[in-house]
Amino acid sequence: GAVVSQHPSRVICKSGTSVKIECRSLDFQATTMFWYRQFPKQSLMLMATSNEGSKATYEQGVEKDKFLINHASLTLSTLTVTSAHPEDSSFYICSARKTGNQETQYFGPGTRLLVL
Amino acid sequence: DAKTTQPTSMDCAEGRAANLPCNHSTISGNEYVYWYRQIHSQGPQYIIHGLKNNETNEMASLIITEDRKSSTLILPHATLRDTAVYYCIVRSYYGQNFVFGPGTRLSVLP
Repeated sequence: GAVVSQHPSRVICKSGTSVKIECRSLDFQATTMFWYRQFPKQSLMLMATSNEGSKATYEQGVEKDKFLINHASLTLSTLTVTSAHPEDSSFYICSARKTGNQETQYFGPGTRLLVL
Repeated sequence: DAKTTQPTSMDCAEGRAANLPCNHSTISGNEYVYWYRQIHSQGPQYIIHGLKNNETNEMASLIITEDRKSSTLILPHATLRDTAVYYCIVRSYYGQNFVFGPGTRLSVLP
């Protein structure tokens, strides 16, 4: 159990367009999901915390109007990169925590975004 | 959450035990030690976590010193597929997210 999926696994888009990334917990409910970003040869950096049915909490320096997060159900959170630019090219990873269990987070396989 | 210190990189011969150290001298009583690993271009994979006692599962063993200021992750028989970056993270039970440091890049050599 505890599988998290992401879709798409990789995406290429033109500068100025918007891209939506989905994160799903396949075999458990997740009240809380997290979105991370990882640039080449760097570690994961938390972007935002997503709670089902409420607004996401963004980390300092992350623009909430650029990175729209929606967590409408207990198994799905989406990250939309609006008006993407080449500097947004990165590896986006989500994680999910089982409802009622604070101990462990399970990570998705990541989505590689390339903005041309 | 307490900060951790790990070696930048390590090598291990295939079939041998890989022992990855982690220092967390400022750990507090309610903080757990977690280990994740990240194989190239994949999301982090949960390995193991513990509070005070040593822990073992099908992937690895976690040895925590009595004063809890350091720990060691042991992969008993490393394979080439264990080549990855290993992250040691300290976090309280009710902590929100996991804070990733640079980790240890483990290379398992044939």
